[in-house]
Amino acid sequence: AQRVTQPEKLLSVFKGAPVELKCNYSYSGSPELFWYVQYSRQRLQLLLRHISRESIKGFTADLNKGETSFHLKKPFAQEEDSAMYYCALFNQAGTALIFGKGTTLSVSS
Amino acid sequence: GAGVSQSPSNKVTEKGKDVELRCDPISGHTALYWYRQRLGQGLEFLIYFQGNSAPDKSGLPSDRFSAERTGESVSTLTIQRTQQEDSAVYLCASSPRTAGRELFFGEGSRLTVL
Repeated sequence: AQRVTQPEKLLSVFKGAPVELKCNYSYSGSPELFWYVQYSRQRLQLLLRHISRESIKGFTADLNKGETSFHLKKPFAQEEDSAMYYCALFNQAGTALIFGKGTTLSVSS
Repeated sequence: GAGVSQSPSNKVTEKGKDVELRCDPISGHTALYWYRQRLGQGLEFLIYFQGNSAPDKSGLPSDRFSAERTGESVSTLTIQRTQQEDSAVYLCASSPRTAGRELFFGEGSRLTVL
């Protein structure tokens, strides 16, 4: 069965520090992976997807099939990065986007 | 140019009553998803609609839950004989039939069952 695990419920860092939000997955074959973000009082929205290999707001995520991981990284955290972050992947049928439980990132000055 | 719209935004009901939640997807989006988010939990997939294809209902937790969608328009999620454990935020999302399949979420309907 497909599964997404985000081991950290809360990650607190200081402004300017590096950030790594962990995501591990269980999937047979080539997964379609995403990071979604929810800022305070805003809707859940897409941050980035692995097929695009893009950097959004300074965040990157690399798919590591050997470790079945898709960790989200940013070299220098900003206070505006404080939000809830969800890792997600589509199920084998492509009908459901399966989410992890989310990690709250808190960046303080 | 509205995004996904959900109503009501808040609903308080008594145990045993039926509730109906509505979702208006973005125009032209063929796919529509319902999720449930209990307090402190992640998003739990409920149901998926894609155009006129048979929906994927595999996430519905019990036969008290049902959802309908006519074509590529509005969807309603119905919960019959509500229980306290049904209290949650119910999120709707839609997506276009394109590569990448970004989901666009509504603001959710917060259901409280007393």
